[in-house]
Amino acid sequence: DAGVIQSPRHEVTEMGQEVTLRCKPISGHDYLFWYRQTMMRGLELLIYFNNNVPIDDSGMPEDRFSAKMPNASFSTLKIQPSEPRDSAVYFCASSLLIGPQHFGDGTRLSIL
Amino acid sequence: EDQVTQSPEALRLQEGESSSLNCSYTVSGLRGLFWYRQDPGKGPEFLFTLYSAGEEKEKERLKATLTKKESFLHITAPKPEDSATYLCAVRVTSGTYKYIFGTGTRLKVLA
Repeated sequence: DAGVIQSPRHEVTEMGQEVTLRCKPISGHDYLFWYRQTMMRGLELLIYFNNNVPIDDSGMPEDRFSAKMPNASFSTLKIQPSEPRDSAVYFCASSLLIGPQHFGDGTRLSIL
Repeated sequence: EDQVTQSPEALRLQEGESSSLNCSYTVSGLRGLFWYRQDPGKGPEFLFTLYSAGEEKEKERLKATLTKKESFLHITAPKPEDSATYLCAVRVTSGTYKYIFGTGTRLKVLA
């Protein structure tokens, strides 16, 4: 079975540019989560969806961040404009009902 | 404020030397405690879910236990392939579900 697929795996861009991270959850999973991981703060939940509907976005750091889930098999996390402090590894995870989460291998984002 | 603390931050063991990792939490409305393993450059991989004090789960050389204030991940006779970062997370509910992760324990098992 295919796991959670994230793209790109690495992204390097300049400050001020728009960044779009993509995620394909495991087929049949109804929950999708976006996390950010840094050395200082560990894994932080940014937002999660249930049946494509955003349920809790209280972890989104500011208005420069937005997330969408247009259908059950695709989600995006967008940062516009990007800043150097956004550099981190971003993970997408999905789960069935409210069971254990299955993570993708992340996108390593570097903002210069 | 809900909080999860893992200790130690890092641990070096000789192959075969058993030990325990700790995850202590202060949360309201606990709806599950999760253990994950994370290898470099990879996403966390699910290991166990515990729901109530006294519960135990086992998988190969790993055993997870839960009390009202903390969880332990016991590693019996570890092997070098057990080297990884071990993360614990709690799920709490306050209207919606929230997941709070600890910062992890980096385990190195030497041959």
